Amino acid sequence: QLQLQESGPGLVKPSETLSLTCTVSGGSISSSSYYWDWIRQPPGKGLEWIGSVYYDGSTYYNPSLNSRVTISVDTSKNQFSLRLSSVTAADTAVYYCARQPNYYDSGTYYYYYMDVWGKGTTVTVSS
Amino acid sequence: QTVVTQEPSFSVSPGGTVTLTCGLSSGSVSTSYYPSWYQQTPGQAPRTLIYSTNTRSSGVPDRFSGSILGNKAALTITGAQADDDSDYYCVLYMGSGILVFGGGTKVTVL
Repeated sequence: QLQLQESGPGLVKPSETLSLTCTVSGGSISSSSYYWDWIRQPPGKGLEWIGSVYYDGSTYYNPSLNSRVTISVDTSKNQFSLRLSSVTAADTAVYYCARQPNYYDSGTYYYYYMDVWGKGTTVTVSS
Repeated sequence: QTVVTQEPSFSVSPGGTVTLTCGLSSGSVSTSYYPSWYQQTPGQAPRTLIYSTNTRSSGVPDRFSGSILGNKAALTITGAQADDDSDYYCVLYMGSGILVFGGGTKVTVL
């Protein structure tokens, strides 16, 4: 069964870069049938899609974060990563990684949703 | 920028039916937006309920159903149970690989 696990520093200073990694187990990140996503949730607020990466390194980003976000994939380690630069207190959130299906099978489109989620990791931006 | 809209809150009695909606600040939602729905309880990761408008994810009870109602996507809970007391989020596909979450609806079962 596929599992996702986020890891990274729980505390980041303002103006620095937030870096998180999602490790995929029980399946291959190199599958052509999936994108790999990052989503975040500030305390007491709703969910926000950050962006996604394909096994070949192609990416899509939330336009509101586009200038600060980089998502990359390391197929040799079965991991994908998030970097968010110039962070402020507004970037304090629980960060989730997730799998996004991207295939067609037997008359059904499996597109544009998240089907497997990590448990999330809390990142606080504070000096 | 287009905003995805959801009702802030709903209350439903045990055994009752509630319909949550997911709309756009400008325009109508259709199946081309591939609406999906997620349930989240406090301190937990979201759980996928519905994708591609009306397809239930594996293991999701059939009391959850998705549809297009008028110009919005909808999630209906029929025969609400106590453990349906949660936050519910919709996601719409906006094109060019971009997904957008709605603001979420808090459903209280009492």
